[in-house]
Amino acid sequence: DAKTTQPNSMESNEEEPVHLPCNHSTISGTDYIHWYRQLPSQGPEYVIHGLTSNVNNRMASLAIAEDRKSSTLILHRATLRDAAVYYCILSPPGGSQGNLIFGKGTKLSVKP
Amino acid sequence: DTGVSQNPRHKITKRGQNVTFRCDPISEHNRLYWYRQTLGQGPEFLTYFQNEAQLEKSRLLSDRFSAERPKGSFSTLEIQRTEQGDSAMYLCASSLLQGAYNEQFFGPGTRLTVL
Repeated sequence: DAKTTQPNSMESNEEEPVHLPCNHSTISGTDYIHWYRQLPSQGPEYVIHGLTSNVNNRMASLAIAEDRKSSTLILHRATLRDAAVYYCILSPPGGSQGNLIFGKGTKLSVKP
Repeated sequence: DTGVSQNPRHKITKRGQNVTFRCDPISEHNRLYWYRQTLGQGPEFLTYFQNEAQLEKSRLLSDRFSAERPKGSFSTLEIQRTEQGDSAMYLCASSLLQGAYNEQFFGPGTRLTVL
C-alpha cells in the first residue's frame, strides 16, 4: 500500500488560511487522494478527495502536484472548530479495495 | 437518517470476558467497515462487508474477534476472552459503493476498557 508522510502537528490562527501538506511519492496512477479529519472524541469525517485535478468543496480545497507525489489541503479561513487531526490517505478505486489506511495524521491547533 | 450509530458508546469489562458491539450503518449503504483506534494513532482497519459477505479481514483480527452482518444491515463485532491490549476505540463506518469512489461515513465509536 502506498504510504503518506505528514507533519505531526501544525498551528494556525483563527480566520487565517491553513495549508496542510502531504507527501506520497509512491502513489500509483489509479490511487485516489483522500483527506479525512477527526475532531476530538468523534469518528473521522470525510473532507475532500481528488485524483489528478485540484478540487474545491464547501469545506476545503485540495491542490495536487502535477506529478501527484504531493498534495496540500487548504482551509481558507480556519475556525476553532477546525482543530482536529487531519489524515491524508491513498487508496485505489473503491470497487477493488475498500478499506482506508490511516497514518498518524497532522494535529491542527487553531488559536483564537 | 442520522448517520452511523454504534452501541454501546462505552464498555468496561474485566479481562477474560466476552463483549459484543453493534453498528447500524446508514440505510442502503452496502459496505460496512470496522476499525480500531488506540490513543495517539490513526484508525486501523479490521474487516469489511459488502452486503452480508465479509470480503476482507486484517491480520489484526485474531481468532478471538468475529464480525457478522447477517442481513446486510446492522453488524456486530464480538471479542472473546478480552485482553488488556484490546482496550481501544472501535469505529464502524459505512459507504455506498457507486462507481470508482467510496466515501466512508464513520460512527462515534465504542470505547472499550479492559481491566
